[in-house]
Amino acid sequence: SQQGEEDPQALSIQEGENATMNCSYKTSINNLQWYRQNSGRGLVHLILIRSNEREKHSGRLRVTLDTSKKSSSLLITASRAADTASYFCATGLSGGSYIPTFGRGTSLIVHP
Amino acid sequence: DVKVTQSSRYLVKRTGEKVFLECVQDMDHENMFWYRQDPGLGLRLIYFSYDVKMKEKGDIPEGYSVSREKKERFSLILESASTNQTSMYLCASSKIQGRGNQPQHFGDGTRLSIL
Repeated sequence: SQQGEEDPQALSIQEGENATMNCSYKTSINNLQWYRQNSGRGLVHLILIRSNEREKHSGRLRVTLDTSKKSSSLLITASRAADTASYFCATGLSGGSYIPTFGRGTSLIVHP
Repeated sequence: DVKVTQSSRYLVKRTGEKVFLECVQDMDHENMFWYRQDPGLGLRLIYFSYDVKMKEKGDIPEGYSVSREKKERFSLILESASTNQTSMYLCASSKIQGRGNQPQHFGDGTRLSIL
């Protein structure tokens, strides 16, 4: 069963603009992770935010988590053509389950 | 650096064949996973393993089996391949560390076509 759902499904922006994608989930979680997938490749872990955290930064990435709304957002600032990829959120359920559940992803295209 | 290696990037097999997909990780991770990825459906978990010789069914185990005889290797087996198993197959591993999920490390995937 799919826990997280990303929105929008597709996003097209110009280089230098910011890209924001959202993830909504349905049940309680202990953490939420964001991954990137370049075309034809495996997923790469970007950032993990725990349920007791509200915001986390890593380079040009900023992730927020609102457990009351059961949602998270990933912001990529000053996007580059190399950021073109699909982005997935994965939620870890409360209770210590070690099986992340992935959404369907947001496809981001950054035009040079 | 962390590495998950899948034996083939592309594979073409015929209906009814028994197909083996191999995955090896060099990080001494306890957990290993097999997913399939189809357009519009995201990643769906087929099987996972949290220890040698241990396995648990995921969301879509029908038509598949797995084997984990050594900690570093996790094999996915299509017992009798069918055309609806044409897909991208992704292997991942992660470490058990306290409670909660740890980041997964993925291989580059095997794009399997069943003719």
